[in-house]
Amino acid sequence: GIQVEQSPPDLILQEGANSTLRCNFSDSVNNLQWFHQNPWGQLINLFYIPSGTKQNGRLSATTVATERYSLLYISSSQTTDSGVYFCGSSGTYKYIFGTGTRLKVLA
Amino acid sequence: DTAVSQTPKYLVTQMGNDKSIKCEQNLGHDTMYWYKQDSKKFLKIMFSYNNKELIINETVPNRFSPKSPDKAHLNLHINSLELGDSAVYFCASSQAQGEGTQYFGPGTRLLVL
Repeated sequence: GIQVEQSPPDLILQEGANSTLRCNFSDSVNNLQWFHQNPWGQLINLFYIPSGTKQNGRLSATTVATERYSLLYISSSQTTDSGVYFCGSSGTYKYIFGTGTRLKVLA
Repeated sequence: DTAVSQTPKYLVTQMGNDKSIKCEQNLGHDTMYWYKQDSKKFLKIMFSYNNKELIINETVPNRFSPKSPDKAHLNLHINSLELGDSAVYFCASSQAQGEGTQYFGPGTRLLVL
């Protein structure tokens, strides 16, 4: 089945810094999504991005489906950005998640 | 209005007990899912239902039994709870099987003592 790799696994940033998170897939990318799991455990949709680029405030995402990867950009990071960022994609019928990038933003 | 809701949010129980978790979505979606998130935060799909029909049944012990009375509800019943069942269980829904944005419930934190 499809494998999903996320990098880096852990990231510590100073408030105000920018970062790029990456998601690589072993097979075709369908229905790719980025999620943020906040420190309270809630899973929040960030982007539904099977291909192309989208922006939402300080966050943007790009998926290059032909090359089987997606990037999540966080600019001017804030302490509220802390948490775990997951990407996921559906293969045949089921949705597979990466192991996440654990982000800590320091004040 | 909560899109995907789960009850209870917390569940602490003894080994060997039977418990249920309920999930409801008001998004009009056709597909609902159960995921298990372990202590290392790894999210793994357990079940998927499309219009009340079981589509995905991953390698999950048969002590876990999902039930979908209608397409807006997907419940999870767990028999003979074991220590290893301690985890956070998330319900989710999407418009169609394997397609579109998935929306997650708040999670049910299960602790088996």
